[in-house]
Amino acid sequence: GNSVTQMEGPVTLSEEAFLTINCTYTATGYPSLFWYVQYPGEGLQLLLKATKADDKGSNKGFEATYRKETTSFHLEKGSVQVSDSAVYFCALRGTHAGGTSYGKLTFGQGTILTVHP
Amino acid sequence: EAGVAQSPRYKIIEKRQSVAFWCNPISGHATLYWYQQILGQGPKLLIQFQNNGVVDDSQLPKDRFSAERLKGVDSTLKIQPAKLEDSAVYLCASSLQVEGYNEQFFGPGTRLTVL
Repeated sequence: GNSVTQMEGPVTLSEEAFLTINCTYTATGYPSLFWYVQYPGEGLQLLLKATKADDKGSNKGFEATYRKETTSFHLEKGSVQVSDSAVYFCALRGTHAGGTSYGKLTFGQGTILTVHP
Repeated sequence: EAGVAQSPRYKIIEKRQSVAFWCNPISGHATLYWYQQILGQGPKLLIQFQNNGVVDDSQLPKDRFSAERLKGVDSTLKIQPAKLEDSAVYLCASSLQVEGYNEQFFGPGTRLTVL
């Protein structure tokens, strides 16, 4: 079945540091890939997405590129801020054999990011 | 635009008791999902509705969990009887429909503690 593996956390960085959170996946067909963020006390929010190989999703300075050859979707940001402190989830939405998508999302375990001033 | 509403936000019960959670999706969204998020893990789908029909309930523990979506709008998730391992955050999400790219919007969740 489908699965998502994220790098172990938590991750602690100083403000303006470079961020990478690794994500790899296992899926048949052509899944869509997502990064969700959960700020303290809030619900899950979509951060960015990529729906086919080599697509780059980007939002709020975060980027991730859909690499089918390495089955990866690593999240990066060049300069983190204190306000980026949150839990980040990598997720995929799989497809049936005929190419139509499942609705459900399969999530990784989440990575806690803490950014200090 | 109003988001996905859930209630209650917090619930504490003793094992073997029953509990129910309520979800009101974004207006016009045909697809509704219930996820279970255990501490330290990512959300896991319990059940998915398309309008008032069940699309996927393969991971729903049907001996104790039940869910309904009458009239294809609001939904209720029930646990009876609860076990200690049911302690988790229960997330409701909705999207316009299943097919194609349709973003899932998540509610704030209900945090359940079973003592």
